[in-house]
Amino acid sequence: EAGVAQSPRYKIIEKRQSVAFWCNPISGHATLYWYQQILGQGPKLLIQFQNNGVVDDSQLPKDRFSAERLKGVDSTLKIQPAKLEDSAVYLCASSRGQGQYNEQFFGPGTRLTVL
Amino acid sequence: AQTVTQSQPEMSVQEAETVTLSCTYDTSESDYYLFWYKQPPSRQMILVIRQEAYKQQNATENRFSVNFQKAAKSFSLKISDSQLGDAAMYFCAYRAFFTGANSKLTFGKGITLSVRP
Repeated sequence: EAGVAQSPRYKIIEKRQSVAFWCNPISGHATLYWYQQILGQGPKLLIQFQNNGVVDDSQLPKDRFSAERLKGVDSTLKIQPAKLEDSAVYLCASSRGQGQYNEQFFGPGTRLTVL
Repeated sequence: AQTVTQSQPEMSVQEAETVTLSCTYDTSESDYYLFWYKQPPSRQMILVIRQEAYKQQNATENRFSVNFQKAAKSFSLKISDSQLGDAAMYFCAYRAFFTGANSKLTFGKGITLSVRP
């Protein structure tokens, strides 16, 4: 079974530029999560999707971050414009569902550096 | 809101020895899940072990075991017979049991474990 795929693996941009990350979850997984992991901290949930609907985006800075999951499969996370404090690893995870316990499987992450 | 605290930023262990990683958490819920995740350098995070709060028995997975103290809100990970491949960052995480729609994980800051040959 293929794991969670993410691209690109690394991205370096100047502040105020825009950037997009892509995630392909494990086949059949209805729930998709985007976490932000700042250096020295644990991952923090940005947004959770159930199929193509948003379950929780309370921690997403909506003035600059946006995410979508069209057709309930792949997802993209966009930052526009980027700030220095957005430098972090962006992790995508997926699970079969959101109800009773379903393990979350993580992708390798995208490391973003904002200069 | 739930919080997870890992107060030790780094630990080191000799190969083949045993090491214990500490974690405390705070919640007002009576049922929940606790996890330890391993994140090797430049590699993806994987689940090491899971504990359901309603279970009194401590979870065990091969060389990994936990000491779950519900009243003290403590959840430590013991790694026996440490191997070089155990070197990684370890995160303690919490998830509510009855989540409704939201099943997010709340993570601690992590601890970097190094293994000396």
